[in-house]
Amino acid sequence: DQQVKQNSPSLSVQEGRISILNCDYTNSMFDYFLWYKKYPAEGPTFLISISSIKDKNEDGRFTVFLNKSAKHLSLHIVPSQPGDSAVYFCAARNNAGNMLTFGGGTRLMVKP
Amino acid sequence: DVKVTQSSRYLVKRTGEKVFLECVQDMDHENMFWYRQDPGLGLRLIYFSYDVKMKEKGDIPEGYSVSREKKERFSLILESASTNQTSMYLCASRSSRVFNEKLFFGSGTQLSVL
Repeated sequence: DQQVKQNSPSLSVQEGRISILNCDYTNSMFDYFLWYKKYPAEGPTFLISISSIKDKNEDGRFTVFLNKSAKHLSLHIVPSQPGDSAVYFCAARNNAGNMLTFGGGTRLMVKP
Repeated sequence: DVKVTQSSRYLVKRTGEKVFLECVQDMDHENMFWYRQDPGLGLRLIYFSYDVKMKEKGDIPEGYSVSREKKERFSLILESASTNQTSMYLCASRSSRVFNEKLFFGSGTQLSVL
């Protein structure tokens, strides 16, 4: 059973608007969360992270929100740009170990 | 910049062949990982290595083995390739000396088993 789920396989957004990518998790032992972005024919690259002691982390156009009670996190991209079109993976780390568990990914398409 | 290099971008192999996927990192990272990426399933951990000559099974190790004889190199071995091992394989590395250090990935090897 997947412990990290990204329920939207794809998302299409107009350039300049907000993109919201969602991620749900089931394991309450997860204490650190990351977002990776992947372009075709390239490996995933780190985008932004958040510790479970915070509820928000911001880096330029990217903001990650964490709702621990709901076991839900989201990535906001404002404003969205065509270069943001990629697959986004949510990942979570278990505080009992050091491994990351990844979600299934969401393909974001930003239309000019 | 950290560089994680995977030896092949594309590979086509036949069922039953022994397949070697090679990965080299240049940042003296202790930890190295092999993942496979399949549509809708995300990245699933096959094997990882905390340091030289150390290896641990990940979530889906069946049908795979690994070798870490040198710190910079981590090899994934498919002893007898099967069609269900057709996938994108991603190698990653990470320093164990930095708290919450992120993973650095290679560009991936798309393996097709016919």
